[in-house]
Amino acid sequence: ETGVTQSPTHLIKTRGQQVTLRCSSQSGHNTVSWYQQALGQGPQFIFQYYREEENGRGNFPPRFSGLQFPNYSSELNVNALELDDSALYLCASSPVGGLGYGYTFGSGTRLTVV
Amino acid sequence: SQQGEEDPQALSIQEGENATMNCSYKTSINNLQWYRQNSGRGLVHLILIRSNEREKHSGRLRVTLDTSKKSSSLLITASRAADTASYFCATENTGNQFYFGTGTSLTVIP
Repeated sequence: ETGVTQSPTHLIKTRGQQVTLRCSSQSGHNTVSWYQQALGQGPQFIFQYYREEENGRGNFPPRFSGLQFPNYSSELNVNALELDDSALYLCASSPVGGLGYGYTFGSGTRLTVV
Repeated sequence: SQQGEEDPQALSIQEGENATMNCSYKTSINNLQWYRQNSGRGLVHLILIRSNEREKHSGRLRVTLDTSKKSSSLLITASRAADTASYFCATENTGNQFYFGTGTSLTVIP
């Protein structure tokens, strides 16, 4: 199977709740990164996982956490949701730690917090 | 905050013309990449240029990188209506951090 798959595609949550977003990386890719994209803005880097370890993090609070599994799929967890967390969440994968290679992006999960 | 800034924010050209967009960044990088995004969907990787490269071509795309000025440009030649999209530069630094610019919205008028 090729490409990056994200689920769900759309999600509505209430402020204060917790959410888990999922990502299946492209076959052969061992690096996964997550991004938050607010409407009309560029994606903002949340963190990156390489071989199940977090190896890079952007300027996001600890309530944004993640996991990478042995098959290199990944989860993004957000606790204590705030209204400003409403955004498109993008997952991307890359081979060999990402250095010197481009990233393949999924179509994203649209999260709305009400 | 995002590391990159792009200009122009929006660009409108006629089909067949060339489109040039610029990106500036703030810190040392390993590489710089350009992506295209259609209507808030997933991004598509266009081209990557390493910090020790100055120019790269891929089809109708030409990318330049000036590390002394911390800037890059993307040139799309002979534009088509299908090139209409938002274009983002992204930098990857030595700390495995990846930062996107603010994007240029390109409209190609048939």
